Amino acid sequence: NAGVTQTPKFQVLKTGQSMTLQCAQDMNHEYMSWYRQDPGMGLRLIHYSVGAGITDQGEVPNGYNVSRSTTEDFPLRLLSAAPSQTSVYFCASSQKRGTYNEQFFGPGTRLTVL
Amino acid sequence: AQKITQTQPGMFVQEKEAVTLDCTYDTSDPSYGLFWYKQPSSGEMIFLIYQGSYDQQNATEGRYSLNFQKARKSANLVISASQLGDSAMYFCAMDTGNQFYFGTGTSLTVIP
Repeated sequence: NAGVTQTPKFQVLKTGQSMTLQCAQDMNHEYMSWYRQDPGMGLRLIHYSVGAGITDQGEVPNGYNVSRSTTEDFPLRLLSAAPSQTSVYFCASSQKRGTYNEQFFGPGTRLTVL
Repeated sequence: AQKITQTQPGMFVQEKEAVTLDCTYDTSDPSYGLFWYKQPSSGEMIFLIYQGSYDQQNATEGRYSLNFQKARKSANLVISASQLGDSAMYFCAMDTGNQFYFGTGTSLTVIP
């Protein structure tokens, strides 16, 4: 049981490049989400999904796309990387029940955009 | 609008003492959940405790308890008998519907 896995762990991009951050979970969780963590700002929700085929925007969605074709996978795409997207990205999953939403986090991806 | 406020950027506590980390929240939803997470220097996010808005009693999990004061919209985390391994960042968070909001965190240092 691997939990939530994220790849890559580290990535350096040049401005304008695109890339996909991978996230997978093996707990059959319906709810998955992407966050970015910046110094002094906590974690902010980028996009989330309540099930396969359903995605929605969080607090800071601009510059990112997501899709959810399977229950297990929830990739995050950076369309045209900008230095402002330098951050640590966390993927999380949970079996949300009402307001109980204990999220299991992946180890994070540290992204630097030059 | 900021949903979760943690006003203590850094806190120090003597080993074996208790410490309270403050959290206030803002929502007009009657149904919500409040959470605390711990992030050690290694970076992983660890779930500590949950409190539902309709729960009558304060949540407890081992050495962690949540002091929930609904009228004041506060959800403070109390750590009893602090240990050196408690040194970490602590985040308060809230679930309203499908949106999940984190505070900016409190850095706790336990002094031997």
